[in-house]
Amino acid sequence: DARVTQTPRHKVTEMGQEVTMRCQPILGHNTVFWYRQTMMQGLELLAYFRNRAPLDDSGMPKDRFSAEMPDATLATLKIQPSEPRDSAVYFCASGLGQGLTDTQYFGPGTRLTVL
Amino acid sequence: QQQVKQSPQSLIVQKGGISIINCAYENTAFDYFPWYQQFPGKGPALLIAIRPDVSEKKEGRFTISFNKSAKQFSLHIMDSQPGDSATYFCAARITSGSARQLTFGSGTQLTVLP
Repeated sequence: DARVTQTPRHKVTEMGQEVTMRCQPILGHNTVFWYRQTMMQGLELLAYFRNRAPLDDSGMPKDRFSAEMPDATLATLKIQPSEPRDSAVYFCASGLGQGLTDTQYFGPGTRLTVL
Repeated sequence: QQQVKQSPQSLIVQKGGISIINCAYENTAFDYFPWYQQFPGKGPALLIAIRPDVSEKKEGRFTISFNKSAKQFSLHIMDSQPGDSATYFCAARITSGSARQLTFGSGTQLTVLP
């Protein structure tokens, strides 16, 4: 049963600290997405990779957020320095990125609380 | 133009009833319209999806109706069950070159009463 895994599942940190969230996409998937979910904004796309190359990160605050894929099995989202307004659930999703109906498979999310 | 407007925000239905969730969009470049189901503490999961060249798609108790001229699409859940209680998101995808992005609606919290 292939799944997207995310770590940590929960993170509580203080303002100003660095936060790193990790995602392991489904083996063989070539697209990876990072989303943020809050009550106020809903689901927002932060960044999108295909074949490990960033295709779009326009939804991400550039001054504090960075997303990378060091290899095909790991995607990271880093916030430095973190702020209380970054508190949200961060989802990673992966897909095959082929054809018109490629599907995104979501991980369980990382719930981030910045105090 | 990237927005997808979803209504209602919350919906309460009796067991066995029909749940209807509506979405509207402006950008005619959207090429794929999926619906996601999310249970508390879980990530969204694809439920059913439709392309704009089709007016209706049915999978079990779930049906998407698509009105291209009105730029609206809706999810119908027939014979709603308490296990269907979840948050439902519509989404629309746009393809730009090699990039594909989903824009999500704001979500509908469905409660099916036993």
